[in-house]
Amino acid sequence: DQQVKQNSPSLSVQEGRISILNCDYTNSMFDYFLWYKKYPAEGPTFLISISSIKDKNEDGRFTVFLNKSAKHLSLHIVPSQPGDSAVYFCAASANTGNQFYFGTGTSLTVIP
Amino acid sequence: NAGVMQNPRHLVRRRGQEARLRCSPMKGHSHVYWYRQLPEEGLKFMVYLQKENIIDESGMPKERFSAEFPKEGPSILRIQQVVRGDSAAYFCASSPKVRGEAFFGQGTRLTVV
Repeated sequence: DQQVKQNSPSLSVQEGRISILNCDYTNSMFDYFLWYKKYPAEGPTFLISISSIKDKNEDGRFTVFLNKSAKHLSLHIVPSQPGDSAVYFCAASANTGNQFYFGTGTSLTVIP
Repeated sequence: NAGVMQNPRHLVRRRGQEARLRCSPMKGHSHVYWYRQLPEEGLKFMVYLQKENIIDESGMPKERFSAEFPKEGPSILRIQQVVRGDSAAYFCASSPKVRGEAFFGQGTRLTVV
């Protein structure tokens, strides 16, 4: 049962434009969310997180938005750069558990 | 501060052999997670350990798989009598606190032939 879903397996964006990666979850107990970036043959790298007491968190070019009523979060990257080309995973955790549940990832390609 | 170190990076085993995957967490991190990524899939939780204790092994197959995180030394994920379906990338992550940002190692790619 996939509790965290990333329905877009891939996304292509022109350099300089905004990239929007989406993530949906089903478990209403999730209260902490993270985004990771992964290059081929490497481990995921932490990007940004948000707790359910907020609806937005920003770090440089990266902003995460959380819509609790819709059980939806999104990662905005602006402006997009070719080095942002990677697979992006969202992950969620509940305060009743110990693990993070990961989505299946979205492969972002930023075209120069 | 060195990152999470996993070794080996690549491991080839014949069916029926044992695979041992090692993970040294970041300094000061006492929480270790193991995840598995099958081809074309996301990261699947396997087990969560703190020093000398298995806290949550709900994602680990009941047979052939075991994990430990001894007081001294790295965390070990052990797979006995490997089968082709065990071929995957195995990632270890460590965190300084429960549900804190987890830092991942580069993974061990296990191939069973």
